[in-house]
Amino acid sequence: KQEVTQIPAALSVPEGENLVLNCSFTDSAIYNLQWFRQDPGKGLTSLLLIQSSQREQTSGRLNASLDKSSGRSTLYIAASQPGDSATYLCAVATSGTYKYIFGTGTRLKVLA
Amino acid sequence: DTAVSQTPKYLVTQMGNDKSIKCEQNLGHDTMYWYKQDSKKFLKIMFSYNNKELIINETVPNRFSPKSPDKAHLNLHINSLELGDSAVYFCASKSSGDYNEQFFGPGTRLTVL
Repeated sequence: KQEVTQIPAALSVPEGENLVLNCSFTDSAIYNLQWFRQDPGKGLTSLLLIQSSQREQTSGRLNASLDKSSGRSTLYIAASQPGDSATYLCAVATSGTYKYIFGTGTRLKVLA
Repeated sequence: DTAVSQTPKYLVTQMGNDKSIKCEQNLGHDTMYWYKQDSKKFLKIMFSYNNKELIINETVPNRFSPKSPDKAHLNLHINSLELGDSAVYFCASKSSGDYNEQFFGPGTRLTVL
């Protein structure tokens, strides 16, 4: 049974810092992994999608990496800004299914 | 031009009532989902439909009944509402093919009194 964990649960950093959010999964037979952000009281916004055959994806200041063998993905945020404050969620799709398992989330606060 | 929309945004109702939440996507996707986000913000999949066919049905009480009249719509009907049903319900859709990115609706906050 796939389990997805995100560490840390909460993170507070000063503006301008580079930071890394972690996502771990127990079953390496994944189809893809998707990172989302969720603002308070809002829906989820897709940030990056990594297919199982890929090692990383980049979008602006965001870079997501995937290491299937170790069951890990990281989301790197460069030069953090107060507008990056949100909860970040990773979701893993297990191969052969349409099912996505979500991580527990990391609540990020970037201080001005 | 909203990709995935849900109605209503807020729903406050009494225990024992029956209510429905509607979802529509204009992305042309084949697969749609219902998720429940509890008070601790944990997101859990409930149902998924692919081309109007139910493909995922997690261990959800049978008071919850999804219905997909066509590929673009997935509704959720809940009978005999209980206090524990209070949560935010999210609809999502996903394309088929190589790039299977999920897109989420804004959520429906259900409060059962």
